[in-house]
Amino acid sequence: DGGITQSPKYLFRKEGQNVTLSCEQNLNHDAMYWYRQDPGQGLRLIYYSQIVNDFQKGDIAEGYSVSREKKESFPLTVTSAQKNPTAFYLCASTRGSPYSNQPQHFGDGTRLSIL
Amino acid sequence: AQSVTQLDSHVSVSEGTPVLLRCNYSSSYSPSLFWYVQHPNKGLQLLLKYTSAATLVKGINGFEAEFKKSETSFHLTKPSAHMSDAAEYFCVVSDRDTDKLIFGTGTRLQVFP
Repeated sequence: DGGITQSPKYLFRKEGQNVTLSCEQNLNHDAMYWYRQDPGQGLRLIYYSQIVNDFQKGDIAEGYSVSREKKESFPLTVTSAQKNPTAFYLCASTRGSPYSNQPQHFGDGTRLSIL
Repeated sequence: AQSVTQLDSHVSVSEGTPVLLRCNYSSSYSPSLFWYVQHPNKGLQLLLKYTSAATLVKGINGFEAEFKKSETSFHLTKPSAHMSDAAEYFCVVSDRDTDKLIFGTGTRLQVFP
């Protein structure tokens, strides 16, 4: 079955450390997204990519970086500059343009905590 | 700019009773609206979407939503709640100007036996 795989499910970060969250999709979708979810808040967009080798900042990109070298993969790095990284991170993908009525498909998330 | 407001952060119902989750939207044009469900420690799953074809939209698991332009609302309903419906529900609008989805803050649905 097609879908989005996020790994690891749980991740712990030490102070001053960069960590990378993996997101892989086999849906042949062009657009991919990273969201951050905090308790009591909706999802906030970190970065998104509409095509390979291109990506745009979302609403809360500071302290994060991404790459899109392959259509299937969109890893997210949480850098040491992100001072409050504890959150649930969700990766999504969609066929077609981002604003269109195409629904987004989501992975099962990675929960990041600080040691 | 587009926005959505979910009017209740928590809703509690008894199993077998109706469910109503309320969502109001703000949009300067005919919006695309979605309802997603999220179970604990899981990603979001699409319940239904409105794209102007019909004002009453049927989704999965017996849920439906009615688009009311005059009230700028897109409330989610289900005639009879099941224990498995306990989850967080998000109302979402697509923003044509920014190419993004705008998420509501979510409504947590509890279902009591």
